[in-house]
Amino acid sequence: GDSVTQMEGPVTLSEEAFLTINCTYTATGYPSLFWYVQYPGEGLQLLLKATKADDKGSNKGFEATYRKETTSFHLEKGSVQVSDSAVYFCASNKAAGNKLTFGGGTRVLVKP
Amino acid sequence: GAVVSQHPSWVICKSGTSVKIECRSLDFQATTMFWYRQFPKQSLMLMATSNEGSKATYEQGVEKDKFLINHASLTLSTLTVTSAHPEDSSFYICSAIPGQGAYEQYFGPGTRLTVT
Repeated sequence: GDSVTQMEGPVTLSEEAFLTINCTYTATGYPSLFWYVQYPGEGLQLLLKATKADDKGSNKGFEATYRKETTSFHLEKGSVQVSDSAVYFCASNKAAGNKLTFGGGTRVLVKP
Repeated sequence: GAVVSQHPSWVICKSGTSVKIECRSLDFQATTMFWYRQFPKQSLMLMATSNEGSKATYEQGVEKDKFLINHASLTLSTLTVTSAHPEDSSFYICSAIPGQGAYEQYFGPGTRLTVT
């Protein structure tokens, strides 16, 4: 079946450091890919998405590119802030209206 | 846009009682909503898919008689935890899809249930 694998955390960084969270997927066909962010005590917020190969999703300084050849959707941010401390989830979806397949989540802690 | 609310945000109940959690799409119609359960420091576990006007589809291992889901309108789905026990204590999150052709889901803020 479909699956999403992301690097385990926690990831601890200093403010203004570069952040990368690796995400790879397995799926038949070409799913849509998402990054969601969960702040403490809250639900998930859609951070960015990409619906086809080579698409780049971006939002709030975060970027991720849909790489078909490596089946990856790595999340990057060039300069993190303390407010970026959260849990980040990579997810895939094969069809409109379909259920999401989530990775295990990566906790990120940014220290001032 | 695409706001999903949940009520209550947290609830404490006694063992053996039932608790109802509401999930509402505030500014869009959602023919499909999902219910998830999340344990501390873990990923989301899909419990069921709720389609307006039809019975919910439960994931394997989820007791449909214990977790009753009703999707009575295009903006409201409810999850009722019946005869709750301490092991049902968890963070319950719903999500909704804004329209038939959408891929992304929008999530509610979650409901923390504690059963004593």
